Amino acid sequence: DTAVSQTPKYLVTQMGNDKSIKCEQNLGHDTMYWYKQDSKKFLKIMFSYNNKELIINETVPNRFSPKSPDKAHLNLHINSLELGDSAVYFCASSQGLLGNEKLFFGSGTQLSVL
Amino acid sequence: AQKITQTQPGMFVQEKEAVTLDCTYDTSDPSYGLFWYKQPSSGEMIFLIYQGSYDQQNATEGRYSLNFQKARKSANLVISASQLGDSAMYFCAMREGLSGGYNKLIFGAGTRLAVHP
Repeated sequence: DTAVSQTPKYLVTQMGNDKSIKCEQNLGHDTMYWYKQDSKKFLKIMFSYNNKELIINETVPNRFSPKSPDKAHLNLHINSLELGDSAVYFCASSQGLLGNEKLFFGSGTQLSVL
Repeated sequence: AQKITQTQPGMFVQEKEAVTLDCTYDTSDPSYGLFWYKQPSSGEMIFLIYQGSYDQQNATEGRYSLNFQKARKSANLVISASQLGDSAMYFCAMREGLSGGYNKLIFGAGTRLAVHP
């Protein structure tokens, strides 16, 4: 059983399209995240939800909208895709917000915008 | 300012030898956590080891140990007896306490390790 699963694994789409990436965790965790890894492998946090409440919203274009229907799910919807959105998007979860809590990552979604 | 600095873009090591991957961090919080993650070519992020700022002893997990030097603000990862399967990207990360609310795990730029037979 995969602890943090995200779909799809690969997403190839045209500029201007709208797409969604889904994430689910079966660990019973309270906190979920979206990270973006660029072509230079740099990982940057985008959003974080704790108990379905948005607690981190980094300077991300408002074309990106996270949605957490329940604690186990955090989806990412992207409107009007641009070439620069091409990256690997990782979903992650942690039990809570304590400093020693490690993040469990999904296997990533490679988004290619053509 | 960079919160996490990994100065080695790439490292090579001979199989069965030990290797140290450098990581320095910058925070004014007295309470923070330091993590190392491994990303093999398959892309997943794998947790390796954790060190808390108040931990008195260096963390160890099997062949991984963290050389924590608080005064120098460094948290180097030591991999002993390298194996071919250790070839991967390695990321150092920090979670700040009071000012950061523990909300974010901030990553360094990573070090690509290649283990040669």
